[in-house]
Amino acid sequence: AQTVTQSQPEMSVQEAETVTLSCTYDTSESDYYLFWYKQPPSRQMILVIRQEAYKQQNATENRFSVNFQKAAKSFSLKISDSQLGDAAMYFCAYRSAMNAGNMLTFGGGTRLMVKP
Amino acid sequence: DTEVTQTPKHLVMGMTNKKSLKCEQHMGHRAMYWYKQKAKKPPELMFVYSYEKLSINESVPSRFSPECPNSSLLNLHLHALQPEDSALYLCASSRSPDGGIHTFGSGTRLTVV
Repeated sequence: AQTVTQSQPEMSVQEAETVTLSCTYDTSESDYYLFWYKQPPSRQMILVIRQEAYKQQNATENRFSVNFQKAAKSFSLKISDSQLGDAAMYFCAYRSAMNAGNMLTFGGGTRLMVKP
Repeated sequence: DTEVTQTPKHLVMGMTNKKSLKCEQHMGHRAMYWYKQKAKKPPELMFVYSYEKLSINESVPSRFSPECPNSSLLNLHLHALQPEDSALYLCASSRSPDGGIHTFGSGTRLTVV
């Protein structure tokens, strides 16, 4: 079974600065997908960024980028120019490319606080 | 329409009550999911529906009964729940069971008294 670990329960960043959230995972599969979801107080899980394991290039979405290290099974999220609206719970998630059901396995989450 | 809509947003029910949670999407997605999320914890998968058929049941107690009447609608029927079942119940959908990104609803906050 796959596991996803987020070692930082809470992180804090000053507005306009950069912060990196850590995620490691364990799998024996070679083909899979990784995601970062954001859950603000409104409760809805919002997709921030995704990465296909077969792609070497790190995914980027505006101020959000990942550092995907497949051999190390590491998938960190970098948020640049942090904004107050970035404050939320962030979940790293894994999905196998092979299993039926397309289900997500989540890490424990990191609460990000943004200081004005 | 790119949303997953869940109703009600909040629900308080007694342990002898019967209630239902509703989830609706009009994106043509053929896979739908129920997740349970306790406070300060990640979502945990409960059920997966694939082309309106139940494909995965993660050993969920029978007091939770899912139903998928059509490709746009997913229900979760609740009966004889326990206080420990109080949680946020999230619905999600994806393009297909084999691929696609999960789109989540805002959830139903359930309190069992």
